[in-house]
Amino acid sequence: RKEVEQDPGPFNVPEGATVAFNCTYSNSASQSFFWYRQDCRKEPKLLMSVYSSGNEDGRFTAQLNRASQYISLLIRDSKLSDSATYLCVVNLDLNQFYFGTGTSLTVIP
Amino acid sequence: GAVVSQHPSRVICKSGTSVKIECRSLDFQATTMFWYRQFPKQSLMLMATSNEGSKATYEQGVEKDKFLINHASLTLSTLTVTSAHPEDSSFYICSARQGLSSYNSPLHFGNGTRLTVT
Repeated sequence: RKEVEQDPGPFNVPEGATVAFNCTYSNSASQSFFWYRQDCRKEPKLLMSVYSSGNEDGRFTAQLNRASQYISLLIRDSKLSDSATYLCVVNLDLNQFYFGTGTSLTVIP
Repeated sequence: GAVVSQHPSRVICKSGTSVKIECRSLDFQATTMFWYRQFPKQSLMLMATSNEGSKATYEQGVEKDKFLINHASLTLSTLTVTSAHPEDSSFYICSARQGLSSYNSPLHFGNGTRLTVT
């Protein structure tokens, strides 16, 4: 079983739509969680950390459900510039990170 | 904020030559750095974990004699692709974590090196 499972998509949504991505993780001892954005032919860039109580940054909301072992990312009012691949990253211990395969999002005008 | 710098960003070399890629943490010390490879339309694949002052830990299937890693200081790790072949053409990315003992610190990625072997 993979450490992190993520639906690769693609998700094609119209501008202004709300879209949500999930990642499930297998190890209940996982310590911290992050969402990254990766544009084509570029490195991943941190979008946001995921905190136990859930957290929001503008149009982006991240949530953690430890009981069900998944994290989610919600994007409201999608913009064309949100088109990218979104990676979830799970940190098991200080030097062990597990990556989802990435979910491809295309926002259509 | 924390920045990881990678150089070069792009390299084209002939088959059989060696290529060195540098990864620097610019404003923090990194005892551990990670090296990844990403083929087009595929996920990031961890190649090795680079440890300052000791040997790197390689993932299964990654040839340690082909991908030489040196982490001689707390701010610099290098990956050398020896005797490169066209199948080594890929996007190589490094990352490091600021905050040696904090789970809340995220990974910071270098800007990547696009290697093309002709």
